[in-house]
Amino acid sequence: DQQVKQNSPSLSVQEGRISILNCDYTNSMFDYFLWYKKYPAEGPTFLISISSIKDKNEDGRFTVFLNKSAKHLSLHIVPSQPGDSAVYFCAASLNAGGTSYGKLTFGQGTILTVHP
Amino acid sequence: KAGVTQTPRYLIKTRGQQVTLSCSPISGHRSVSWYQQTPGQGLQFLFEYFSETQRNKGNFPGRFSGRQFSNSRSEMNVSTLELGDSALYLCASSQSGDGYNEQFFGPGTRLTVL
Repeated sequence: DQQVKQNSPSLSVQEGRISILNCDYTNSMFDYFLWYKKYPAEGPTFLISISSIKDKNEDGRFTVFLNKSAKHLSLHIVPSQPGDSAVYFCAASLNAGGTSYGKLTFGQGTILTVHP
Repeated sequence: KAGVTQTPRYLIKTRGQQVTLSCSPISGHRSVSWYQQTPGQGLQFLFEYFSETQRNKGNFPGRFSGRQFSNSRSEMNVSTLELGDSALYLCASSQSGDGYNEQFFGPGTRLTVL
């Protein structure tokens, strides 16, 4: 069962506009969420995270929103730049020891293309 | 601070062989997690090590194993390779491995099984 889902395989945006990437999860026990960016032939790069006790976290051009009741999070990139073109993964973890240690559950990724 | 390093970057093996991949975490990070990335299954958790102990394991057969050394460096081993083991293997390190720590990934090892 896929506990973290990114339903949009791809997103195309014009430079300077807002990019909104979405992620849904089914496990209500998840309490920490992360976004990663990945270029081909490289490992994922950590972008931003949010704890379940918050509903928003900002870091520069990146803002993550969490809606716990809807089990939904989104990543906003404003303004989008051509260098942002990459695959974006959302991931979730839970802090319950045991079978949660060191485990991130990833979505399938969304390919973002930012056109100049 | 140096990032997570993985060696080798590329490997080609044949079915039935075994392979060992290496990962050096960020200095001060004691938790190392391993993931397999394939086009069909995405990023799947293999296992996690902390202080030389495996604390968590994903849903992979026993052919996949690992270990961690006292300096936190980690290795993973895949025995009796199958074609389906062709994938990008990623390791990630974090300070403690609990649910509130960001994980930082290495560049990965691309394994091709012929």
